Amino acid sequence: DSGVTQTPKHLITATGQRVTLRCSPRSGDLSVYWYQQSLDQGLQFLIQYYNGEERAKGNILERFSAQQFPDLHSELNLSSLELGDSALYFCASSAGRGRNFQETQYFGPGTRLLVL
Amino acid sequence: AQSVSQHNHHVILSEAASLELGCNYSYGGTVNLFWYVQYPGQHLQLLLKYFSGDPLVKGIKGFEAEFIKSKFSFNLRKPSVQWSDTAEYFCAVKVDTGKLIFGQGTTLQVKP
Repeated sequence: DSGVTQTPKHLITATGQRVTLRCSPRSGDLSVYWYQQSLDQGLQFLIQYYNGEERAKGNILERFSAQQFPDLHSELNLSSLELGDSALYFCASSAGRGRNFQETQYFGPGTRLLVL
Repeated sequence: AQSVSQHNHHVILSEAASLELGCNYSYGGTVNLFWYVQYPGQHLQLLLKYFSGDPLVKGIKGFEAEFIKSKFSFNLRKPSVQWSDTAEYFCAVKVDTGKLIFGQGTTLQVKP
């Protein structure tokens, strides 16, 4: 158990819908990262938050957004869902800012999203 | 461009065989390297990491990796694999603000 929690574990929805994925980082960790794992794209970085502020963006679609709340949990919002959005979405957390810090990211169990 | 390349996509070994998974990275900054393992149906777990110092790093479950700066490589090794090592293995490099760039992954199948 990494200490990172994600809900829900599984999500089945229809095209055009909107879903919210939730992540709680390890106790004391200030950085949260979101990754998408799909068969064709592999593991891709989506977005990073540090202490409530967006720190870095990867290949995140405009239909996707995220935020980190004062209690440091984070939510990833996926809207206007398409079949191709079906994937495993991981959240990871680390202690600090990431840049120039020798720190490790610990991953949550993931949310498996299926868009029908 | 920042990238990680894992040479083997699918490896099949018998128990007790030795393992070496190749990983090459492309990144011009300070290198932090990781190997993660994903057992079937589970999340990513850290196997080992390299930040600085001794280029030969030891991880959990008997795994080790060697950082060779001149070759931009960070290959994973295990002298004797077990059936329980069946999993997918990911090499990753930490870049920029801290995000990880992952390789495509290598699926290891160990036959009992």
